[in-house]
Amino acid sequence: NAGVMQNPRHLVRRRGQEARLRCSPMKGHSHVYWYRQLPEEGLKFMVYLQKENIIDESGMPKERFSAEFPKEGPSILRIQQVVRGDSAAYFCASSLSAAQTGELFFGEGSRLTVL
Amino acid sequence: QKEVEQDPGPLSVPEGAIVSLNCTYSNSAFQYFMWYRQYSRKGPELLMYTYSSGNKEDGRFTAQVDKSSKYISLFIRDSQPSDSATYLCAMRDQGAQKLVFGQGTRLTINP
Repeated sequence: NAGVMQNPRHLVRRRGQEARLRCSPMKGHSHVYWYRQLPEEGLKFMVYLQKENIIDESGMPKERFSAEFPKEGPSILRIQQVVRGDSAAYFCASSLSAAQTGELFFGEGSRLTVL
Repeated sequence: QKEVEQDPGPLSVPEGAIVSLNCTYSNSAFQYFMWYRQYSRKGPELLMYTYSSGNKEDGRFTAQVDKSSKYISLFIRDSQPSDSATYLCAMRDQGAQKLVFGQGTRLTINP
C-alpha cells in the first residue's frame, strides 16, 4: 500500500515564477493537509482539504497561495510569484477521517528553493 | 510567545542511555498530544499518540502528559543509533483539525 506521494521532491524556481506541488494521499484517505517547514523550525499548518472542499485555510497566506483537492487527481498547492521567503519544505499529510487527525501520514516533502 | 516550546538541541547521548525529550505549551485547550520522528530529508512519522493526561508506553518509548503543568515528555529507553533523528511534539484541541508543532529536538545517539 503506497504511502503519501509528493512530487516533485525538489523544485527550483526564480523569483516571480510559479510553483506547483502535488500530493496523492494514501489509498482510501480523503483528508489532506499541507504543512510548511522552514529551516530549523517545526511544521506550520497551512490548509486542510477534503475532496473538492477547503475546510480550513487559516494557516495559508492570503495572497499568492492556493490549494485544491479535485474529485479526481492529486491535491495541488500552488504558489504564484514566488519570493525567497517561500523557500521551505512543504509536507503533505493524509488521514482516513477527520476524527483521526492525530494519525496523520506524511509524505517525504517537496523542497522548494527560490533563487 | 510560541504556543508550543521545544528545545531544539542538539542533544547527543551514548548508546543505551535513557533519553528525555520535552515540550511545554500555553494553550490549555490542547487535548491530543503526539510525538513524531523525522529522519533527515524525510517526512515525519507518528511515534506516540495520547489523549489528555497520563502515560502511554510502546516498546522502548514512553509518552507522558501533565496537563496541569502544560508539559509533555517522551522517554526513550535503551537508545540505539537508529533513534538518531529530530523529534517533534505536536498537539491539537478538541475538534480542531490542525496540529501545532514544536520546533523539534535533534537527537544523536553515539555508538
